[in-house]
Amino acid sequence: DAGVTQSPTHLIKTRGQQVTLRCSPKSGHDTVSWYQQALGQGPQFIFQYYEEEERQRGNFPDRFSGHQFPNYSSELNVNALLLGDSALYLCASSLFFGARYGYTFGSGTRLTVV
Amino acid sequence: SQKIEQNSEALNIQEGKTATLTCNYTNYSPAYLQWYRQDPGRGPVFLLLIRENEKEKRKERLKVTFDTTLKQSLFHITASQPADSATYLCALPAPFYGGSQGNLIFGKGTKLSVKP
Repeated sequence: DAGVTQSPTHLIKTRGQQVTLRCSPKSGHDTVSWYQQALGQGPQFIFQYYEEEERQRGNFPDRFSGHQFPNYSSELNVNALLLGDSALYLCASSLFFGARYGYTFGSGTRLTVV
Repeated sequence: SQKIEQNSEALNIQEGKTATLTCNYTNYSPAYLQWYRQDPGRGPVFLLLIRENEKEKRKERLKVTFDTTLKQSLFHITASQPADSATYLCALPAPFYGGSQGNLIFGKGTKLSVKP
């Protein structure tokens, strides 16, 4: 049973560019949450998608947007990249009414903005 | 706003000893608390969840306690092994909104190194 799959694993972009990261949730999960993890920090919540709608959002600017597809997979888009956007981006899947049972995280996408 | 603090950035112990990691939180009364393990370059892996009405939870060599009066959780690894070396993250759910599950707020983590 595949867990959470994220692509690509690594990415290098230039300031001002746009990037799209992808996530396939664990089989049976219906909710996808995205987190940003800077070096030496804990993951920070970006937003959560359920039933193809953004349900919750953390303290991130509108440059960060997302989408969830009917098959529950999700994309994270970041526009007008800044150097400070360099981080590990983690996708976590769960059941919307079962998140208390723990999230399943992917291995992440390492984004470097130069 | 909610705040989570993990007692130290790094903890070094000898193989066979018990590792104890601390997680303190403020401005909040969470319904549960979770612990995750994260290896370098990998995503966090869920280990244990403890509810507010549970004082202690065990899973193999792991033990978690939850003191809602002190607003503190302790995470213990008994008979530690070099393979236990990793960063351990404490996480709390943010307050619920509209019936949905709150997102997780993570601490910075404690990097545990177990020396043979």
